[in-house]
Amino acid sequence: DGGITQSPKYLFRKEGQNVTLSCEQNLNHDAMYWYRQDPGQGLRLIYYSQIVNDFQKGDIAEGYSVSREKKESFPLTVTSAQKNPTAFYLCASSYRGQGASYNEQFFGPGTRLTVL
Amino acid sequence: AQSVAQPEDQVNVAEGNPLTVKCTYSVSGNPYLFWYVQYPNRGLQFLLKYITGDNLVKGSYGFEAEFNKSQTSFHLKKPSALVSDSALYFCAVRDPLRGGSYIPTFGRGTSLIVHP
Repeated sequence: DGGITQSPKYLFRKEGQNVTLSCEQNLNHDAMYWYRQDPGQGLRLIYYSQIVNDFQKGDIAEGYSVSREKKESFPLTVTSAQKNPTAFYLCASSYRGQGASYNEQFFGPGTRLTVL
Repeated sequence: AQSVAQPEDQVNVAEGNPLTVKCTYSVSGNPYLFWYVQYPNRGLQFLLKYITGDNLVKGSYGFEAEFNKSQTSFHLKKPSALVSDSALYFCAVRDPLRGGSYIPTFGRGTSLIVHP
């Protein structure tokens, strides 16, 4: 899974709790992404960040929040406003230098979140 | 707008036989196309990409893909399947004319099952 780590691997959340998923990369990539994966639905983009201290909403940002205070870190918080958070969450990064538009993404191993 | 379709949810093939996983796309200009593989409970791994040039692209683990502009397709192929190739395969497209964020669009994924 390249130079991206995600923790924890499994996470259990009670109703009404906020939880934070960690994503760290040592690839010196500027761009980082969060995806949600549900069976049969492919990958859906939650948030992305192209540079430190800047991030943009993806297709399904409601109920989620992020921060990008350091280049290597892009944590995702799943808030109590997210009504159906049980899913597999994937973090990714990519190089934004020369060839940015056709550079592939590197993915972390994922975090499986279950709401109890 | 950019979109990608993987028309088959599942592909079954016998070990040793050739395999094909289909992908079609829609973009405004000439596309950048990617294939990724995901093993159970893991992140996605990059296999190969098409940017320009030779329509036949070779990638990791013996996989290759053929870009066909007239049919707007980018099918993934392997001459001889292995049981260990069994996984979920994702096609992704990036429209270089879209500009801005360089976010690819992923297909819903195709489950490849290779039978011994």
